[in-house]
Amino acid sequence: QKEVEQNSGPLSVPEGAIASLNCTYSDRGSQSFFWYRQYSGKSPELIMFIYSNGDKEDGRFTAQLNKASQYVSLLIRDSQPSDSATYLCAVNVRDSSYKLIFGSGTRLLVRP
Amino acid sequence: DVKVTQSSRYLVKRTGEKVFLECVQDMDHENMFWYRQDPGLGLRLIYFSYDVKMKEKGDIPEGYSVSREKKERFSLILESASTNQTSMYLCASRITGGYTEAFFGQGTRLTVV
Repeated sequence: QKEVEQNSGPLSVPEGAIASLNCTYSDRGSQSFFWYRQYSGKSPELIMFIYSNGDKEDGRFTAQLNKASQYVSLLIRDSQPSDSATYLCAVNVRDSSYKLIFGSGTRLLVRP
Repeated sequence: DVKVTQSSRYLVKRTGEKVFLECVQDMDHENMFWYRQDPGLGLRLIYFSYDVKMKEKGDIPEGYSVSREKKERFSLILESASTNQTSMYLCASRITGGYTEAFFGQGTRLTVV
C-alpha cells in the first residue's frame, strides 16, 4: 500500500462549482498534511496545511482532516479556470520531523 | 523572499555520463531534499539531508548519490546516467519541524540519451 494515495483524475468541474480533492494516508501517526498546487511545467507551491481534525478555511480553499479515517481533503469553492492544475497531497511522516511524502497528485480541470 | 535555485532548467546527457545536479537555498534551512517526478507517479523522494554532511536514503536511491558540504548547497549525483533516469528533478528545502512547508526549486528536466 502506498503511503499517500490520491485519485489521479482528471477531475473535471464547471466554472463556479466546488471541486473536491481527496487524499488518504497509511501511517496513523502522521502529524501534518499539506496541499500543494502544481501548474504544468512549474514547481509545486503550497496552498494550505492542516494538522488538527476538522476544517481549515483560507479564502476559497478549505482543507478537511479526519485522522480517525486517515483522510484529508481540499475543497475549492467557486472554481476558476486558473485553478486548473495538479494538486499534490503531502504528509509529514511520523518517524521524522522533516520528511514529506507526496501522493501522485490529482489533475483538476475547470471548464469555462 | 525565500529562494531555492537549481543550477539548470534543462539538461541532456549521454548514457554512462556522470551527472551533477546542484541546488542552493538562501533560507538557512537545515533540511534539503531531492525528488524526481514522473507522470502518474508523483514526487518520489531520492535522498534528503538534515544537516551538513548528513544524508539519508529516500524511497528510490538506487543509481544516485548526494553531497552536502555546505548548509546552503545540496548536490544530486547520477554516477552513471541511464535512460530510465530521464525525469524532472526537484530540489526542496525545509526548516526542521513537522508543521513547516517545503520550498521547491524550479526543477531540472534531465534527458538521458
